[in-house]
Amino acid sequence: KQEVTQIPAALSVPEGENLVLNCSFTDSAIYNLQWFRQDPGKGLTSLLLIQSSQREQTSGRLNASLDKSSGRSTLYIAASQPGDSATYLCAVSRLGAGANSKLTFGKGITLSVRP
Amino acid sequence: GAVVSQHPSRVICKSGTSVKIECRSLDFQATTMFWYRQFPKQSLMLMATSNEGSKATYEQGVEKDKFLINHASLTLSTLTVTSAHPEDSSFYICSARGIGQGAYNEQFFGPGTRLTVL
Repeated sequence: KQEVTQIPAALSVPEGENLVLNCSFTDSAIYNLQWFRQDPGKGLTSLLLIQSSQREQTSGRLNASLDKSSGRSTLYIAASQPGDSATYLCAVSRLGAGANSKLTFGKGITLSVRP
Repeated sequence: GAVVSQHPSRVICKSGTSVKIECRSLDFQATTMFWYRQFPKQSLMLMATSNEGSKATYEQGVEKDKFLINHASLTLSTLTVTSAHPEDSSFYICSARGIGQGAYNEQFFGPGTRLTVL
């Protein structure tokens, strides 16, 4: 059974700092990995999706990397801003599950960026 | 593109009543829809997967008679919580996957529905 872990559960940093959020998963037979952002009481916003054959993806100030063999992914946020404050969720989908591939989520990291 | 909506966004009901939540894909045809449940400070837990025109596949431990899922068209899936009780209070989120939308197997999420059962 796939398990996704995100540690720490919460993180507080000053504005402008570069930071790394970590995600680990137990089963390396994944199809893809996604990073999401969730604001309080809201749904999920997809940030980056990395296919299993890829090593990283970039979007603006965000960069996500994937190391399947070690079961790890990182989300790098450059020059953090107060508007980046949210919960960041990591999720992986299974390999070989076809159209019914399911996402397994971590519990998320709640980020607070102090002005 | 790839927008998913949910209605209602928030619902409060009395114990014993049934509540229906709608999930719509607004600009694409969703061949598969997923229903998740999220408790405070917890991750999303998949409840069931539904394909258009067929019965939903429920995850272990999810009562299919309590959480009725219908995926009658390529743009609409509904989740009905029957005889709701306070322990059913939660945040319910749907997602949809469609042919030609995003990366293969990518899911697009709705904004969620907050259910409170009194």
